[in-house]
Amino acid sequence: DAGVIQSPRHEVTEMGQEVTLRCKPISGHDYLFWYRQTMMRGLELLIYFNNNVPIDDSGMPEDRFSAKMPNASFSTLKIQPSEPRDSAVYFCASSLMGNQPQHFGDGTRLSIL
Amino acid sequence: AQKVTQAQTEISVVEKEDVTLDCVYETRDTTYYLFWYKQPPSGELVFLIRRNSFDEQNEISGRYSWNFQKSTSSFNFTITASQVVDSAVYFCALSEESTGANNLFFGTGTRLTVIP
Repeated sequence: DAGVIQSPRHEVTEMGQEVTLRCKPISGHDYLFWYRQTMMRGLELLIYFNNNVPIDDSGMPEDRFSAKMPNASFSTLKIQPSEPRDSAVYFCASSLMGNQPQHFGDGTRLSIL
Repeated sequence: AQKVTQAQTEISVVEKEDVTLDCVYETRDTTYYLFWYKQPPSGELVFLIRRNSFDEQNEISGRYSWNFQKSTSSFNFTITASQVVDSAVYFCALSEESTGANNLFFGTGTRLTVIP
């Protein structure tokens, strides 16, 4: 079975540019999560969806960040405009049901110059 | 306050040694879930185990074992006869029923290096 698929694996762009990260969850999983990993803050939850509906976005750092899930098999995390402090590894994860294990994608390593 | 504390930042062992990674958690919920994840040098996060708060049985899976003790709020992870492939950062995490059981609170991780 295919796991969670994220693209791109690496992204390098200049500050001010729009960045779009993509995620395809495991088929049949009802929950989708976006996390950010940095040296300073560790792993932190940004937002999660249940059945394509955003449930908790309290972890989204600011209005420059937005996430969508137009259907059960696709989600995007967008940063506009990007800033150097957004540099991090962004993970997408999915789970079958609430409180079940979350399965992570390989992450997108984002560098904002 | 940190919900999950992994006091060991880095551990180095020689291959074939046993090693225990400590995890202490804090919650007021009676229903909660504990997890361990492995992050190898390649960067992905690999799920290892999930325990709910009502199941204090220790678990063994091959060379891996977990010791869950509610009395000390700990969920420690032991690797027996460590191998070089065990070198990774290991994260302990907690989710609480009161917050929907979907918010995973991660510890800061323990970097394990197994020396051949």
